[in-house]
Amino acid sequence: EPEVTQTPSHQVTQMGQEVILRCVPISNHLYFYWYRQILGQKVEFLVSFYNNEISEKSEIFDDQFSVERPDGSNFTLKIRSTKLEDSAMYFCASGPFHPATGWTSGSTDTQYFGPGTRLTVL
Amino acid sequence: SQQGEEDPQALSIQEGENATMNCSYKTSINNLQWYRQNSGRGLVHLILIRSNEREKHSGRLRVTLDTSKKSSSLLITASRAADTASYFCATAASGGSYIPTFGRGTSLIVHP
Repeated sequence: EPEVTQTPSHQVTQMGQEVILRCVPISNHLYFYWYRQILGQKVEFLVSFYNNEISEKSEIFDDQFSVERPDGSNFTLKIRSTKLEDSAMYFCASGPFHPATGWTSGSTDTQYFGPGTRLTVL
Repeated sequence: SQQGEEDPQALSIQEGENATMNCSYKTSINNLQWYRQNSGRGLVHLILIRSNEREKHSGRLRVTLDTSKKSSSLLITASRAADTASYFCATAASGGSYIPTFGRGTSLIVHP
């Protein structure tokens, strides 16, 4: 069964350094997402991406963050200058169609999550 | 805030028992979803219930939605040790973004 993959599984970095988290969405999916989960807290939406541009972003997704789909398979999240509070699990997700389409039809086939990258900022 | 909040925060039961988790939210929703997260892993989508639905079943899972009380419940029947995980509800606001907003989750432990 196809799945979303993420690399690395664990990234340790120094405060102020740039990190790039990588995701390979399921191949025929068109909608891509990043979420984060600080240890013991809620999963929080960061950004959605469709047709090579950001569709939605949350307040968390400030100028320090950027996303890119550099080729036909990868979807990346870049944090330019990491802070201690960026330490979290970062989840990538992909979906075959817009959530509204899926949910209107009752389909649950909207978002498939990767296993996550644990980012530790020292 | 739109987010769902699960209750209880932690639940410990014996294999074979039923597990019930609740989710409350604050504003009108388009739909509500339940996800499972095994320790250190990603989220797995379990079930979606739309605002005009009251109950849905999927295998051993039963989800109810009461929009008048702004609450939902997830029932896992005949639990197994493999059901040990965190369970999250996520709501999508009506008339707004379709991006789900997650609660803090219920940590379920099923003892063999």
